Amino acid sequence: QSVLTQPPSVSGAPGQRVTISCTGSSSNIGADYDVHWYQQFPGTAPKLLIYGNENRPSGVPARFSGSKSGTSASLVISGLQAEDEADYYCQSYDSYFNYVFGSGTAVSVL
Amino acid sequence: QLQLQESGPGLVKPSETLSLFCSVSGGSVSSTNYYWGWIRQPPGKGLEWIGSINYSGNTYYNPSLESQVTISVDLSKNQFSLNLRSVTAADTAVYYCARRTRIAVVDWFDSWGRGTLVTVSS
Repeated sequence: QSVLTQPPSVSGAPGQRVTISCTGSSSNIGADYDVHWYQQFPGTAPKLLIYGNENRPSGVPARFSGSKSGTSASLVISGLQAEDEADYYCQSYDSYFNYVFGSGTAVSVL
Repeated sequence: QLQLQESGPGLVKPSETLSLFCSVSGGSVSSTNYYWGWIRQPPGKGLEWIGSINYSGNTYYNPSLESQVTISVDLSKNQFSLNLRSVTAADTAVYYCARRTRIAVVDWFDSWGRGTLVTVSS
């Protein structure tokens, strides 16, 4: 059971906008700890996609954006592309459990 | 460019100790700006943080694993290691080593090894 809850899957047609939610609680996201996002393709290691709620590392396309509000955070993919089909995980800090990850969301492109 | 590489046995017997090493190249575990850690992923499941260590040996562990885990750093070899004691089938997972970067009070895992599958089975 993950401390941070994500929808198991989201899907969209190429070019569409999709949103992945990450819901926490008052001991993690709601305690003003930052949220980070990772992208993982099958059989490979996760890759940092967004750090500090909304910042993109060098090389990450601008169609990926992040935000945080209250006890939740969101990752938005604007203009979904076939190569975005992957699993996405949110991550934050929790006062009780230290570093915690979301349950993961599989993005499929229709 | 920073690279991390996990190494160790791919098969461990139940009740024994799982031992993995992470070799770091293109960077130094002696750097004061980073923590070095382990994260695992059971087959078909999500990610679980195991613990982290810095250059001076300060460690932080997942409370649910703390009694089983020891993470160490070897500055001379530029590597760090994981020992997970008394393993069961539930410890079967891909184990990743990763660098944790901290800026101000915010930190995240910005570099990952490729991961190594460890199966616990007799």
